[in-house]
Amino acid sequence: GENVEQHPSTLSVQEGDSAVIKCTYSDSASNYFPWYKQELGKGPQLIIDIRSNVGEKKDQRIAVTLNKTAKHFSLHITETQPEDSAVYFCAASSYGQNFVFGPGTRLSVLP
Amino acid sequence: NAGVTQTPKFQVLKTGQSMTLQCAQDMNHEYMSWYRQDPGMGLRLIHYSVGAGITDQGEVPNGYNVSRSTTEDFPLRLLSAAPSQTSVYFCASLPRWRAQETQYFGPGTRLLVL
Repeated sequence: GENVEQHPSTLSVQEGDSAVIKCTYSDSASNYFPWYKQELGKGPQLIIDIRSNVGEKKDQRIAVTLNKTAKHFSLHITETQPEDSAVYFCAASSYGQNFVFGPGTRLSVLP
Repeated sequence: NAGVTQTPKFQVLKTGQSMTLQCAQDMNHEYMSWYRQDPGMGLRLIHYSVGAGITDQGEVPNGYNVSRSTTEDFPLRLLSAAPSQTSVYFCASLPRWRAQETQYFGPGTRLLVL
């Protein structure tokens, strides 16, 4: 079955700097890759997603890149702000079947 | 729309007790699922349903039962609680099974088993 690894497990950046979180997946059939943000005491919320027919997607300060050959995808947050501090999860799915999640990255943005 | 709702928010159980975690969605979503979240392990799928009357096991189903009698509701039953079931439980739904769409998560239920 699918296995998703995520690095780093914790990340601290200065406000205004960029943050990058990387995930790798094992199943070449996976074709949908969402990223979730989880704030303390809340459920995960989608922040961006990418499908396998696209190599990059951007939404304001957030971007995701996908390398199907290497089976990895990354989340990029630019101009980080204190409100970006949260736990971020990547996930992989094959044709909308059950999602497999990475273990999460705790991002701290220091003022 | 209220989205995905879960009750209770917090629960303390003694070993051996049973309980039901409630989950409801008002978006007419086809697919619903239950995850548990443990430190350093991300979200692991317990059970899922692709429609009313249809349920299946996920990665960690032991000790849990589910049913889906309506599109809206997907309760999770702990048959005989164990300390290993101490976790945060999330219910999620998505519009269509086998579509490249994301899940919507509820706020979670924090469960402590003593």
